[in-house]
Amino acid sequence: ETGVTQTPRHLVMGMTNKKSLKCEQHLGHNAMYWYKQSAKKPLELMFVYSLEERVENNSVPSRFSPECPNSSHLFLHLHTLQPEDSALYLCASSQETLQQYEKLFFGSGTQLSVL
Amino acid sequence: DQQVKQNSPSLSVQEGRISILNCDYTNSMFDYFLWYKKYPAEGPTFLISISSIKDKNEDGRFTVFLNKSAKHLSLHIVPSQPGDSAVYFCAASAEGAQKLVFGQGTRLTINP
Repeated sequence: ETGVTQTPRHLVMGMTNKKSLKCEQHLGHNAMYWYKQSAKKPLELMFVYSLEERVENNSVPSRFSPECPNSSHLFLHLHTLQPEDSALYLCASSQETLQQYEKLFFGSGTQLSVL
Repeated sequence: DQQVKQNSPSLSVQEGRISILNCDYTNSMFDYFLWYKKYPAEGPTFLISISSIKDKNEDGRFTVFLNKSAKHLSLHIVPSQPGDSAVYFCAASAEGAQKLVFGQGTRLTINP
C-alpha cells in the first residue's frame, strides 16, 4: 500500500461510545495531522504531530484525544461525542512539520456520525 | 473570522470551456497558496501552488493567478473535462505559521 490510509471509512457511534480512528502513512513523512471537515465549512486543523510529538492542539475539546505511537501511525480516540461532532475526519502527512512550500498528503477520511 | 474564503459554493461549466474558481484571503502575511482537489469518498489531493513572488503559475490545463493587491487568487482550468468535476479547496500559509488555512471549497461540475 502507498500513501495515507485511514480506517474505518465510516463510523456510526452513540454519544456514550468510545471509538478510535486510525491513520497510517507509507510515505516516510515526519509530520502527521488530523483535520475535521464539516459540511460547507473549511477544513479545520485539529492536531499536528512532528516526529511523534504534538506540536499543535487547535483548541480541540478533550473528548478528542490523539495518539502518535510512531511517525507512521496516528490515532484519534473518541469518547462522549456530541451530534455536532459528526463530520469527515481527515488524516494528512507531510515530509516535515508544515514549512513553507510543504504539501499535505491526505487520507480518504472517516465519515463519522454521532447519534 | 475566516481568513480564506471561496464565495461560490458551486460552479457548473460546459465541457471544453474554461472553469474559473475564485478565492479571497484577508491575511496579508499569507505568502504561499495552494489548490487541492477532492473527489467524493477520497481525501483532497494537491493540484497546483503559487508563491507570492509570482503572479502566475501554469501546469498543463491548470493555471493559478495571484493578485496580491486585491488579496485574490483564481484557478483556471482549460479546457474543462468531465473528470475535473470535484470539490476544489483553496489554501494559504504564512512563513513560520506551520499550518495551512483552507477555504470552504467550491463544487465544480463539468457538463458534457
